[in-house]
Amino acid sequence: NAGVTQTPKFQVLKTGQSMTLQCAQDMNHNSMYWYRQDPGMGLRLIYYSASEGTTDKGEVPNGYNVSRLNKREFSLRLESAAPSQTSVYFCASSRPSGGPVTEAFFGQGTRLTVV
Amino acid sequence: GENVEQHPSTLSVQEGDSAVIKCTYSDSASNYFPWYKQELGKRPQLIIDIRSNVGEKKDQRIAVTLNKTAKHFSLHITETQPEDSAVYFCAARVRGGSQGNLIFGKGTKLSVKP
Repeated sequence: NAGVTQTPKFQVLKTGQSMTLQCAQDMNHNSMYWYRQDPGMGLRLIYYSASEGTTDKGEVPNGYNVSRLNKREFSLRLESAAPSQTSVYFCASSRPSGGPVTEAFFGQGTRLTVV
Repeated sequence: GENVEQHPSTLSVQEGDSAVIKCTYSDSASNYFPWYKQELGKRPQLIIDIRSNVGEKKDQRIAVTLNKTAKHFSLHITETQPEDSAVYFCAARVRGGSQGNLIFGKGTKLSVKP
């Protein structure tokens, strides 16, 4: 049982390049999330998906797109990376099918640097 | 939407003392309040949570209290140890709808000095 797995762990991009962060969970969770973490700013929600086939914007969605490929996978795409997107990105999931609200389980994070 | 304020941003205590971190939330519909601990370079991990139908919950040296009327909740750590040093985040989840929003406070960096 791997929990939440995200790739890659580290990435350096040049301004204007694109990339996709991958996330997969094996806990049969309905909800999945992408957060970014910056010093002094806590964890800010970029996008979330309450269930397969649905996605919604969070607090800081500009510059990002997401895809809920299936129940297990939720990807985050940067179409044209900017230095302001330098951050640590965390994927998370929660809420088993038919169950109550539960804690969010986090992936190990992706440290992204845009130069 | 929900807004979560967390104080203090940094907290330094002597080993063996107690530490208290406080959070307030804005949406009275929020019904689930987890606390996460994040060690340097690691992912956030749940240490304790409380639901809106409970006023207090305790797990060994850690306790959380919830005041729904005032819309605030607090984390209490007793007999602190150096391994408690980390960043702690509170969060609130809004009931109903898509249940998609888990909103975090900005974090408290706790330092426990031996």
